[in-house]
Amino acid sequence: NAGVTQTPKFQVLKTGQSMTLQCAQDMNHEYMSWYRQDPGMGLRLIHYSVGAGITDQGEVPNGYNVSRSTTEDFPLRLLSAAPSQTSVYFCASSHDTEAFFGQGTRLTVV
Amino acid sequence: EDKVVQSPLSLVVHEGDTVTLNCSYEVTNFRSLLWYKQEKKAPTFLFMLTSSGIEKKSGRLSSILDKKELFSILNITATQTGDSAIYLCAVEDYGGSQGNLIFGKGTKLSVKP
Repeated sequence: NAGVTQTPKFQVLKTGQSMTLQCAQDMNHEYMSWYRQDPGMGLRLIHYSVGAGITDQGEVPNGYNVSRSTTEDFPLRLLSAAPSQTSVYFCASSHDTEAFFGQGTRLTVV
Repeated sequence: EDKVVQSPLSLVVHEGDTVTLNCSYEVTNFRSLLWYKQEKKAPTFLFMLTSSGIEKKSGRLSSILDKKELFSILNITATQTGDSAIYLCAVEDYGGSQGNLIFGKGTKLSVKP
């Protein structure tokens, strides 16, 4: 099983550019989420989805959009990248209390 | 290959018991070790450990890191049903140009009334 697949693993953007971080899971999980990880801090929730067609904001949603058109995919879009969005991003999918994380995307905005 | 191993994978206790969760790691360039609690939705951050022998404490939870033996423990005293969750250990690795978190598979704790 592939589990949770995130792409790309690394990305460098210029300020103002937009991009989409991809996340796909093959476990038929209803719940998916995006986190960012910054030095000295734990995971912070950006957006989450409890099923196809349903999304909601987490702790730090500003500057990000998500959609959930299928159960499998949960892309995260940066509308206009800012240096403050330099971070490591994790996608996760959950079933009941079990969470499966992707391996992360390291994003640098210059 | 870098890896983080948690044990046990699951644990069932009764309210009032004390539990110890284990996390061992093999990571090329260790930076920090983190513990999370995962309930129905998002994991919540518990502790970040960077130095050996310094206990971090928050209420009934405490954790300590041993960088010589490459492990950490998470203790929960006087457990409550609300402690039921999956506890995730993650190691921050700065091998090469990465720095991603390497997670263990988690310990599923069930606290019975």
